Amino acid sequence: VLTQSPGTLSLSPGDTATLSCRASHSVDRKYLVWYQQKPGRAPRLLIYATFNRATGIPDRFSGSGSETDFFLTITGVESQDSAVYYCQHYDNSPGLTFGGGTKVEMK
Amino acid sequence: QLHLQESGPGRVRLSETLSLTCTVSGGSVDTLSHYWAWIRQPPGKGLQWIGSVFYNGKAYINPSLESRVTISIDTSKNQFSLRLTFVTAADTATYYCANQWDDMDRDGDGDLEFWGQGALVTVSS
Repeated sequence: VLTQSPGTLSLSPGDTATLSCRASHSVDRKYLVWYQQKPGRAPRLLIYATFNRATGIPDRFSGSGSETDFFLTITGVESQDSAVYYCQHYDNSPGLTFGGGTKVEMK
Repeated sequence: QLHLQESGPGRVRLSETLSLTCTVSGGSVDTLSHYWAWIRQPPGKGLQWIGSVFYNGKAYINPSLESRVTISIDTSKNQFSLRLTFVTAADTATYYCANQWDDMDRDGDGDLEFWGQGALVTVSS
């Protein structure tokens, strides 16, 4: 089980956002992923293997963490970063698991 | 760059079978580097993984859906498909297909890089 916090984050442009994803047991950092989803759109891969940015992702997005605690940091939030962010873990069994999401909104 | 596109009926009757197909372009489903995944999202809710299939037809399914789900692949058509039987209102969702990385030479697996635009399927009585 992946638990994301906070549920909602209200930020001003230029702020730094720290989103948390806590796993119910220790997981391999190679299989921890982050996505961004805007309304009406498919999720977009941001970070894979805990800290690797996907192709085309700006460097204001960064990932970190280990064992049970993982983080997505957005440094210098922009208005276009308003979205829901999901973490995801991959395991042979039971497969792919998503967190409940954190909504980032601009003040 | 891969492009994925879901197709199928937008409405399914209660207790009947939902069938969707994902057509892949820009690459082949006949590859050792990816699984091919189905994910769904009920209106206003979060993401749920349904299952994934490999080029050779080996599939693994979310245990919560296993009794009702079949995922298959057709390498000749560069497509993979989802069947969900005995649908209820709880199966109303946007259904996405995506590629799922599975490559020993890469740092990390299980991430879904390219997604289809999604297909809204409504279960109605």
